[in-house]
Amino acid sequence: NAGVTQTPKFQVLKTGQSMTLQCAQDMNHNSMYWYRQDPGMGLRLIYYSASEGTTDKGEVPNGYNVSRLNKREFSLRLESAAPSQTSVYFCASSPGPFNQPQHFGDGTRLSIL
Amino acid sequence: GQQLNQSPQSMFIQEGEDVSMNCTSSSIFNTWLWYKQDPGEGPVLLIALYKAGELTSNGRLTAQFGITRKDSFLNISASIPSDVGIYFCAGRLEGTDKLIFGTGTRLQVFP
Repeated sequence: NAGVTQTPKFQVLKTGQSMTLQCAQDMNHNSMYWYRQDPGMGLRLIYYSASEGTTDKGEVPNGYNVSRLNKREFSLRLESAAPSQTSVYFCASSPGPFNQPQHFGDGTRLSIL
Repeated sequence: GQQLNQSPQSMFIQEGEDVSMNCTSSSIFNTWLWYKQDPGEGPVLLIALYKAGELTSNGRLTAQFGITRKDSFLNISASIPSDVGIYFCAGRLEGTDKLIFGTGTRLQVFP
């Protein structure tokens, strides 16, 4: 029962480096999401993909890009990492639109020095 | 952006006690979700609510969709050590496709 799988689990980058966070789900869900979680704040939506072939900006998209590679996979890319992007990143998926419960991966802990 | 006020921020209780937490907003929601997050893991769905006034249980957990549609409540009865974690509410704003998360309630249970 893999559910939502995120890789890597941990990563340390230097300012200016680029990186792609990978996410895959095996539940045949249509919608996928990327969130960031910072201390004292709720999860904030970065980008989402309502269905294969579509992506849309969330609340905090600046500094990120995404690719919905196929129905299973949704990647998040940092082109030029900044210390403000130090966070825990969560990928989630749901059968359909936002009001359907989302299933989360275990997160990627990213530190930017 | 839209705000969800979740309270309390943290709770320190003794095993066996009941727990109550809530999320409130000035906006109207058409869906409320409650999640639990254990250290080093992603949030796991506990209860989903879709109608005003709805009361739903999942074992010792009970959640309610407030009748004003601006709030939701989660109760845990007879707490046990494995209830430790961070509890998040999330709501879908009426007329939008956005899910807003609360800032979480950190629960600590002492034996």
